[in-house]
Amino acid sequence: GESVGLHLPTLSVQEGDNSIINCAYSNSASDYFIWYKQESGKGPQFIIDIRSNMDKRQGQRVTVLLNKTVKHLSLQIAATQPGDSAVYFCAAHQGGKLIFGQGTELSVKP
Amino acid sequence: EAQVTQNPRYLITVTGKKLTVTCSQNMNHEYMSWYRQDPGLGLRQIYYSMNVEVTDKGDVPEGYKVSRKEKRNFPLILESPSPNQTSLYFCASSTRQGANYGYTFGSGTRLTVV
Repeated sequence: GESVGLHLPTLSVQEGDNSIINCAYSNSASDYFIWYKQESGKGPQFIIDIRSNMDKRQGQRVTVLLNKTVKHLSLQIAATQPGDSAVYFCAAHQGGKLIFGQGTELSVKP
Repeated sequence: EAQVTQNPRYLITVTGKKLTVTCSQNMNHEYMSWYRQDPGLGLRQIYYSMNVEVTDKGDVPEGYKVSRKEKRNFPLILESPSPNQTSLYFCASSTRQGANYGYTFGSGTRLTVV
C-alpha cells in the first residue's frame, strides 16, 4: 500500500523568509501529488499539484519539487506571509485513491 | 460559486442516536468521498463514490453508511454513533475526467458523540 509522511509536524519561520515543507511517500507507482493548505476551522484547499513525469512545478509564490529517486516531494513558499500560517498536507494518488500525510503546521512570526 | 456544502458544521449527539451528515456539490462532479480527520492520524477515507449508485468502502468504513442516489448529494449516515466516532468529518468531490484529480473539500463537520 501507500503511506505518506511529513518530516516535521511543525515549522516556524520569520515573515519574509522562504519556507520549505517536506513529504515522503512509499509507493513508486504514485503518479500524481497534491499539496493542500488547511486553515483553522476550514477544509483543505488545493495549492499546487505535480505529475510524476515532472520534477518541478511553479505557481504563485509556491514551488513543488518532486524527487522520484528518493520518493520525496517538497513545497517551497517564497516570502512567507502571516496569511500562510496553516497546516499543509501532501497527498499521493495511486490506484484511484488519494493518500494524505498528517500535515505540517506552519507558523509565521512577524 | 463552485463548492461542497456540508451540514451541520457542528453536532453533539448521544451514543446510539442515528444521525445523517449531508454533503452536496454544485460542480457536477462524478467522484465524492468522505474523510475523517483525527489528531495524529491525518485524513482517513471512510467511503467514496465513483458515480450515482456506485459506492465503495475506504480505509475506515466500520460504523458508517453512505448513499448516492443523485450526483450532487452524498450523505454520511451513522446508524448507531459511538464515542470513537467523535471526529472532524470532511466531504470532498472531484471530476474523474481530464488530468486533475484534485479534490474540492467542504468546510467540515465537527461531531461529538457523548
